[in-house]
Amino acid sequence: DIQMTQSPSTLSASVGDRVTITCRASQSISTWLAWYQQKPGKAPKLLIYKASSLKSGVPSRFSGSGSGTEFTLTINSLQPDDFATYYCQQYNTLWTFGQGTKVEIK
Amino acid sequence: QLQLQESGPGLVKPSETLSLTCTVSGGSMSSSSYYWGWIRQPPGKGLEWIGSIYYSGSTYYNPSLKSRVTISVDTSKNQFSLKLSSVTAADTAVYYCARHLSVVGAPTHFDYWGQGTLVTVSS
Repeated sequence: DIQMTQSPSTLSASVGDRVTITCRASQSISTWLAWYQQKPGKAPKLLIYKASSLKSGVPSRFSGSGSGTEFTLTINSLQPDDFATYYCQQYNTLWTFGQGTKVEIK
Repeated sequence: QLQLQESGPGLVKPSETLSLTCTVSGGSMSSSSYYWGWIRQPPGKGLEWIGSIYYSGSTYYNPSLKSRVTISVDTSKNQFSLKLSSVTAADTAVYYCARHLSVVGAPTHFDYWGQGTLVTVSS
């Protein structure tokens, strides 16, 4: 099984900050990685797929990078709507999610 | 606009079988471009993929749940279903159905999700 580990688990930030979340895979997954945003009581929403491809309609302040085993999600100039929990997910071999990173207001 | 809607009992007794259906509207399940999956999220915890199915009926299951899970599809009704047997309190979760995009025949990320339905396992 491929394990996905996100860091940090919680991140405190202010509006306007640049935020980076890291996701590590237990083995190489090439660029078969997606990032999702989830708000309380709602379904996750796809932000980025294939490690760095932005889903249509997602603000350009979101970006993803990485390949192999290490990946990052960056949010430039954090907006009030961005306070949420973020999950990475690999789809190289079946599907596994990271444990999530909660971005909270500082 | 594609929509997915989960339906089924919100309360299941321990040792019984959890059964949910996902109804897809605004698009056909018979397209070769998509797979269809189930994901769950225990209260206050992270996401766990349960299994996925293609319109032809071919399936993928999470190895940790495989012995208890059956996913089926009814393209005539544009629905797919989840059965999870021998449930315990640990199966209490919000259950989501979702669509995978297929790229060169392989299912990839989830691009559309249902709103989710809470299933509680309790006597």
